[in-house]
Amino acid sequence: GAGVSQTPSNKVTEKGKYVELRCDPISGHTALYWYRQSLGQGPEFLIYFQGTGAADDSGLPNDRFFAVRPEGSVSTLKIQRTERGDSAVYLCASSPGTSGNIQYFGAGTRLSVL
Amino acid sequence: DAKTTQPPSMDCAEGRAANLPCNHSTISGNEYVYWYRQIHSQGPQYIIHGLKNNETNEMASLIITEDRKSSTLILPHATLRDTAVYYCIVRVTNTGNQFYFGTGTSLTVIP
Repeated sequence: GAGVSQTPSNKVTEKGKYVELRCDPISGHTALYWYRQSLGQGPEFLIYFQGTGAADDSGLPNDRFFAVRPEGSVSTLKIQRTERGDSAVYLCASSPGTSGNIQYFGAGTRLSVL
Repeated sequence: DAKTTQPPSMDCAEGRAANLPCNHSTISGNEYVYWYRQIHSQGPQYIIHGLKNNETNEMASLIITEDRKSSTLILPHATLRDTAVYYCIVRVTNTGNQFYFGTGTSLTVIP
């Protein structure tokens, strides 16, 4: 597809479970970002990849959150032992690294922890 | 990155120009001004960005004051589909780092 794709679009899980959220960036984009958006708030940065490596993971709230991008394309955000406070929309963006570093966002995954 | 201040909400009549202000009084010389918008249940959408000159594209115009401490996003002929939350962000463009979104301005276009 032409845009950033995130799957699933919705995920409902129980407290304590493990979840994985997937992001397919725009082909050729070297930079990939994860954000989290709570109701009524703007997106908050979680982690940024340049290629395969995490260039900045300062936004990850704790060690239950982890993200990988093993081949420099698709990325997976992993959340262990989910808590009700993890409920939010998780947004992924990619950027070509040029053209003003414009970030192109996916529609997000809405995570609900019951 | 510098912090931005935006009004929490605004209304605009359909067909009229929507002028969305943003204050960024602590902006540095190498920081750009970006505007994104987010329509309900969608991801943020890039609108425009600039450094110090006014910019125009097919979506909007960006007017940056001479001292760069504030800017205005102009939607020349607002439609109902322009109803969204608009975010003003300042960032050094070549760092590759994250955007700080804030809470933005909720624009409602009224028929």
